[in-house]
Amino acid sequence: NAGVTQTPKFQVLKTGQSMTLQCAQDMNHNSMYWYRQDPGMGLRLIYYSASEGTTDKGEVPNGYNVSRLNKREFSLRLESAAPSQTSVYFCASRMDYTYGYTFGSGTRLTVV
Amino acid sequence: ELKVEQNPLFLSMQEGKNYTIYCNYSTTSDRLYWYRQDPGKSLESLFVLLSNGAVKQEGRLMASLDTKARLSTLHITAAVHDLSATYFCAVDLFQGAQKLVFGQGTRLTINP
Repeated sequence: NAGVTQTPKFQVLKTGQSMTLQCAQDMNHNSMYWYRQDPGMGLRLIYYSASEGTTDKGEVPNGYNVSRLNKREFSLRLESAAPSQTSVYFCASRMDYTYGYTFGSGTRLTVV
Repeated sequence: ELKVEQNPLFLSMQEGKNYTIYCNYSTTSDRLYWYRQDPGKSLESLFVLLSNGAVKQEGRLMASLDTKARLSTLHITAAVHDLSATYFCAVDLFQGAQKLVFGQGTRLTINP
């Protein structure tokens, strides 16, 4: 089915390890987003890419980097994981402001 | 800075009762979303409200938007157990690039 695909679905990291969360969409959407969800805090924007070749910080960017590899793919990298980055990460995309968002199924990350 | 606040954050109700979830936001926006999230799942889009006075209904759920009061409501009529979930409102903020800012979520539990 068309949509937003996130990999992996689950991951456990040790403090200080690095990893990249992958996100791909096959809907030809222009904008892509990374959110994190923590209990009782809703979803918070980490980084977004309004169009291919551009990225911007969101509300909570510290400790993360992103790459908009092409129009389909938007990756999120943790260079040195910390326990505070334990969360559920959601990728989302949309065509433009006139359209709604499509969310991926999420990546549950635990940093020990 | 846009802030989105929902209340209540937790709601336990009996089947057959009516209740309303409130979503207040702090700055001008003409686009508001309601999402449903089941435990361990992604976000399911319920409603997109595009203008002042907009009202949308789907089954036992009805959402409305008052842009002058910066308030949206999600009304539940004759609740059934299947509606138990966490509900989020989110406001679209268009300032150079699109951003979606979420409320904290309302965890709704409907008891038989």
